[in-house]
This record gives sequence, structure tokens and C-alpha cells, in this order.
Amino acid sequence: DTGVSQDPRHKITKRGQNVTFRCDPISEHNRLYWYRQTLGQGPEFLTYFQNEAQLEKSRLLSDRFSAERPKGSFSTLEIQRTEQGDSAMYLCASREGNSPLHFGNGTRLTVT
Amino acid sequence: GQQLNQSPQSMFIQEGEDVSMNCTSSSIFNTWLWYKQDPGEGPVLLIALYKAGELTSNGRLTAQFGITRKDSFLNISASIPSDVGIYFCAGQNSGGYQKVTFGIGTKLQVIP
Repeated sequence: DTGVSQDPRHKITKRGQNVTFRCDPISEHNRLYWYRQTLGQGPEFLTYFQNEAQLEKSRLLSDRFSAERPKGSFSTLEIQRTEQGDSAMYLCASREGNSPLHFGNGTRLTVT
Repeated sequence: GQQLNQSPQSMFIQEGEDVSMNCTSSSIFNTWLWYKQDPGEGPVLLIALYKAGELTSNGRLTAQFGITRKDSFLNISASIPSDVGIYFCAGQNSGGYQKVTFGIGTKLQVIP
């Protein structure tokens, strides 16, 4: 069990640029979640995959956001035309069945 | 998005003191979870509670699942400097995509 891995750990980008983050879940976990966390807040749900199927998306996930999990293993989260309000920590978590979520260390995005 | 009410939002305590924090929700949950987050890292699971009234310990940590299923409590006994961090409660329901909803966190500072 190598844990949930996220890449990159930090990303600084200029407003209007596109960014993509990657998450590698724990290998036997079929469920994968993306959360966003801003300073002083708890993680907020963005989207959920069961295997390769994206089954739920939060209203927080605007049209500029897209997530994929093409083979039911790793996942990517892309933000197009970034805005300053997108600056946050993006957390990925995975689990098997109903077990508790295991989180990665996140990607901290700063939009200048 | 919805977040649970967690209190206190921050606390300073002397090393060796006991700590209590709680979490309330307007909705009932089937599972309550407590996580700890250190700066620049993802949340790490401390305790999971699966049954109303359940009291579970993990070392110096004890958590309880409230009878109403709308609240939970976490106690830390004999605090030490490495207890510093942000503690999040989280509620989860069975069925659907089992979204986990987080509190806003309790920031704990321990004075040596």
C-alpha cells in the first residue's frame, strides 16, 4: 500500500492558462474522489468515480473543470482558463467499497 | 457546498491538558469520521464510527457517535506537541455515491 499519490504538489500558473493534475489512487480502490480545499475550510466535494465511470459532480465543478479516469486507475483533473478564484488545494481520495477515504497530499494551485 | 458545524474553530492548550471538540449536523449520518491534517499534507484518518452511541479509542484519542446521529465528539487526552494540527470531522451516508461531508476544522495549538 503506497498510498494515494498526487502530482504535481504545487502549481503556479497565470490566469487564463490551463492546468492538469494527476491522482494515482491506492491500487485496489475502485472509488476515487476529488475535493477542493481553501484556506480555513474543510475539503469540499467536487466529483466521484466508481471505476472509470464519473457518477457524481458537484455544482462547484464549473464547465471549465473536467475530470477523467479512463482505465479505472489513475485520474486527471483539468481546469481550463484558470481564474484567481481557482487557487486552492486540490485533494484526491480513494477507497474500496464503504471503507473510509484515504487522501493524497494534494496539489496546491496558485493562479496569479 | 454544505459543511458541518465544528467547534471550537481554534484552541490553544498547555501540553498535558485534555482537549474536547465536537461536530454537529442538520442531517443524520450513518458514519462519522475524524481526520487530522498537518500543514501542506492531506487529511489522515484518525477514527471511524459506524453505529449511533459507539465510543471508539485510538491511543490517546476517543471519539463518540452521537445518539441522534447528528453529532460526534473527539477527545484527546494528555496532549503533546505533535498533536498540533487541524482536526476535521466528516459525515457519510450509505447509498448513492456516499459523499463524505467535512466540517470546517478545529485548529489545535499545543504550548510546550
